[in-house]
Amino acid sequence: DGGITQSPKYLFRKEGQNVTLSCEQNLNHDAMYWYRQDPGQGLRLIYYSQIVNDFQKGDIAEGYSVSREKKESFPLTVTSAQKNPTAFYLCASSARGEQFFGPGTRLTVL
Amino acid sequence: GENVEQHPSTLSVQEGDSAVIKCTYSDSASNYFPWYKQELGKGPQLIIDIRSNVGEKKDQRIAVTLNKTAKHFSLHITETQPEDSAVYFCAASPNSGSARQLTFGSGTQLTVLP
Repeated sequence: DGGITQSPKYLFRKEGQNVTLSCEQNLNHDAMYWYRQDPGQGLRLIYYSQIVNDFQKGDIAEGYSVSREKKESFPLTVTSAQKNPTAFYLCASSARGEQFFGPGTRLTVL
Repeated sequence: GENVEQHPSTLSVQEGDSAVIKCTYSDSASNYFPWYKQELGKGPQLIIDIRSNVGEKKDQRIAVTLNKTAKHFSLHITETQPEDSAVYFCAASPNSGSARQLTFGSGTQLTVLP
């Protein structure tokens, strides 16, 4: 059963703590992406990776970090430097340009 | 960078009627325009896309048109059904290759009334 998985679905953290969101894909896609979605708004690109061990900043990378050690995995760390981390986070992957999304993780920082 | 504007922000139609959502983009280099459907609490699902070398594309009840000169593209849904109710997003990208930087519109909440 191919697809993109994100875990957990809901995540709660205290202010000042770093938190890592998981994204795994078994579609054999080279490119992976992280987006942030706020209520009533479109998706904004945080980071993307075209290939293993390489990644680039998107439009809103400040306060976030990523790694791409394996083709299947692209974890996102929300650091304490992110001023407003509460949001819905979406991971996507692509092979020929078309991006396919995972189910998302809703992060709430208390 | 690219800027995508999407209208309307909300749209209500009667079941069986057509729905049209419009987007404009700013970067004339954009060459790929996907449309996504997002149901509550879920990730967006790609429903149709169009590249700049064609003006129209259809898939059953869904069609997308592109006017490169005016820099706008539209989603048309015919014979709407209650299950079409969702948030729809347009996007644009100037990249080529396997990795594309998509710029999204702000979304349209479509409600199909039975």
